[in-house]
Amino acid sequence: DQQVKQNSPSLSVQEGRISILNCDYTNSMFDYFLWYKKYPAEGPTFLISISSIKDKNEDGRFTVFLNKSAKHLSLHIVPSQPGDSAVYFCARYSGGGADGLTFGKGTHLIIQP
Amino acid sequence: DSGVTQTPKHLITATGQRVTLRCSPRSGDLSVYWYQQSLDQGLQFLIHYYNGEERAKGNILERFSAQQFPDLHSELNLSSLELGDSALYFCASSVGWRGADGYTFGSGTRLTVV
Repeated sequence: DQQVKQNSPSLSVQEGRISILNCDYTNSMFDYFLWYKKYPAEGPTFLISISSIKDKNEDGRFTVFLNKSAKHLSLHIVPSQPGDSAVYFCARYSGGGADGLTFGKGTHLIIQP
Repeated sequence: DSGVTQTPKHLITATGQRVTLRCSPRSGDLSVYWYQQSLDQGLQFLIHYYNGEERAKGNILERFSAQQFPDLHSELNLSSLELGDSALYFCASSVGWRGADGYTFGSGTRLTVV
């Protein structure tokens, strides 16, 4: 069973500081991991991804880190801005016949002014 | 606007009924994916079509079916509806068939079964 788990339902961070969102996974062979952001009344929006052969991927204010030994990935947002307030989902793509993404249950990030 | 269009936005229907949800992918995208988001289960992959052909099934009930038409729009049919089918149903599209490249999601159809 290939799962992703986001253990923090919510996270509050001050504007301008770093936001760190965490995700744990099980049984990875050769996967991709993705982060999506979701605003109310909208669909999820793709943010950034990382292949399991890499440790880090960066795109502007967003950096994803993959710790394979701990089966853990994290999304860093620096600096945090009010528009970053949203629900963040981590997801994995295992490929082959398992074609869809497996999503975590999400973390609600609240950026405080 | 993500470019993925889902209709209707809201749907209220009674148990035992059948409904059809519609999705128009972004221009140029060949893949359509359907996901269900319920309060307790999060986002669950239902089914994937690529260029008119079914490519993969996820946790899709036998009461549910889907298809992708020659113009690439897709429909998700839900029948013999139960209260537990109340959820947000998202459609997503992508150019290729690899989910690793990320999808573009529509804004969803909220289905309420009463």
